[in-house]
Amino acid sequence: AQKITQTQPGMFVQEKEAVTLDCTYDTSDPSYGLFWYKQPSSGEMIFLIYQGSYDQQNATEGRYSLNFQKARKSANLVISASQLGDSAMYFCAMREGSFAQGAQKLVFGQGTRLTINP
Amino acid sequence: GAGVSQSPSNKVTEKGKDVELRCDPISGHTALYWYRQSLGQGLEFLIYFQGNSAPDKSGLPSDRFSAERTGGSVSTLTIQRTQQEDSAVYLCASSLVGGVPYEQYFGPGTRLTVT
Repeated sequence: AQKITQTQPGMFVQEKEAVTLDCTYDTSDPSYGLFWYKQPSSGEMIFLIYQGSYDQQNATEGRYSLNFQKARKSANLVISASQLGDSAMYFCAMREGSFAQGAQKLVFGQGTRLTINP
Repeated sequence: GAGVSQSPSNKVTEKGKDVELRCDPISGHTALYWYRQSLGQGLEFLIYFQGNSAPDKSGLPSDRFSAERTGGSVSTLTIQRTQQEDSAVYLCASSLVGGVPYEQYFGPGTRLTVT
């Protein structure tokens, strides 16, 4: 079974608009973490934002915010005021178990290719 | 040069040959990970090293794949008797550990093509 599902293979958005990239996850572990990474055409993976399962508030990092709906098991990435440089692949990933237990490996979704149009 | 480095950046090999991929993590990072990314796909976990603990090999797809980490730093991923389905980008990442959600820093990857 898919642990991380990203249902949007591609999205096209006008510059300066906000965009939401969907991510749903599946786990029975009460302790987990959710990450979003950006992969430009150059190939490097760039960390964007993190949300822990026990975090009370949604994570925010600059123009990025994570809409965490625990009961629905969704962790959507919201990019405000999109820019041309935001065009890239975006991956949602999950870490099961707590960091205190040493759990570190990430399970990735299939990604969403975001294209920002001028 | 503070980031994760990988070599070679590209490797073309014939089916059946062995290949070695190298990863040099960020200095001081005790955790090191290998992932594989097939064309147009997400990343697939392969193996994880943390300090002196036994590595988590649960993602290795077959016994043709192995990895070692010498001296708690540089790691080598070895693929024996390569097959065409091994063609992918192999990404290495490193992170701190310690009970807080340290993100993983990724290297540029090695693109492996098996002909």
